[in-house]
Amino acid sequence: QSVLTQPPSVSAAPGQKVTISCSGSSSNIGNNYVSWYQQLPGTAPKLLIYDNNKRPSGIPDRFSGSKSGTSATLGITGLQTGDEADYYCGTWDSSLSAAVFGGGTQLTVL
Amino acid sequence: QVQLQQWGAGLLKPSETLSLTCAVYGGSFSGYYWSWIRQPPGKGLEWIGEINHSGSTNYNPSLKSRVTISVDTSKNQFSLKLSSVTAADTAVYYCARLGRGVVPAAKGIYYYYYMDVWGKGTTVTVSS
Repeated sequence: QSVLTQPPSVSAAPGQKVTISCSGSSSNIGNNYVSWYQQLPGTAPKLLIYDNNKRPSGIPDRFSGSKSGTSATLGITGLQTGDEADYYCGTWDSSLSAAVFGGGTQLTVL
Repeated sequence: QVQLQQWGAGLLKPSETLSLTCAVYGGSFSGYYWSWIRQPPGKGLEWIGEINHSGSTNYNPSLKSRVTISVDTSKNQFSLKLSSVTAADTAVYYCARLGRGVVPAAKGIYYYYYMDVWGKGTTVTVSS
């Protein structure tokens, strides 16, 4: 059971937009910054979003992040087949004194 | 371009100690915290712990009694030891560089915490 809650799967057609939610509590998302990771099959996770909505160098602006209260959202526009991957949210939990992740969301581009 | 190269034993028997090392190439070592994360087969990510160049550590409370993370600044390396392993410790283990810190806020402080550079992962299987 993950501390952060994500939908197990989402899907959308190429070119469309999809959002992935991440729900937590006041001890994690509510009072700390959120990051998002993309994990392509058989590879290590890759940082997509940090500090709720910032993109590392090289990450296209098709990827965006937002946070409201104790929930965060990853948005992906102009979906491509190469976006098919697992996506994870993460943050620091001040009560646990530990980094925590969501259970992951599998994105299928139909 | 920072790169992390990791290695260690991939097959262990129950009760043995897992030992992995991660070397940092191409960037500052002392200016960052470094972390270990694992991923059981078909499951999500689990944070194991972190260390800085001075040897200051924080561990996941669920693993704290069995985990030791250490650092060798002369080699720009950090290591993970996990004792008394069981089949539940079977996972891909990743090392990563951390972006971490605190930001003052009106109602206290906010933590930022993310992994911006990852190693390729080491598969560790625990089986008798």
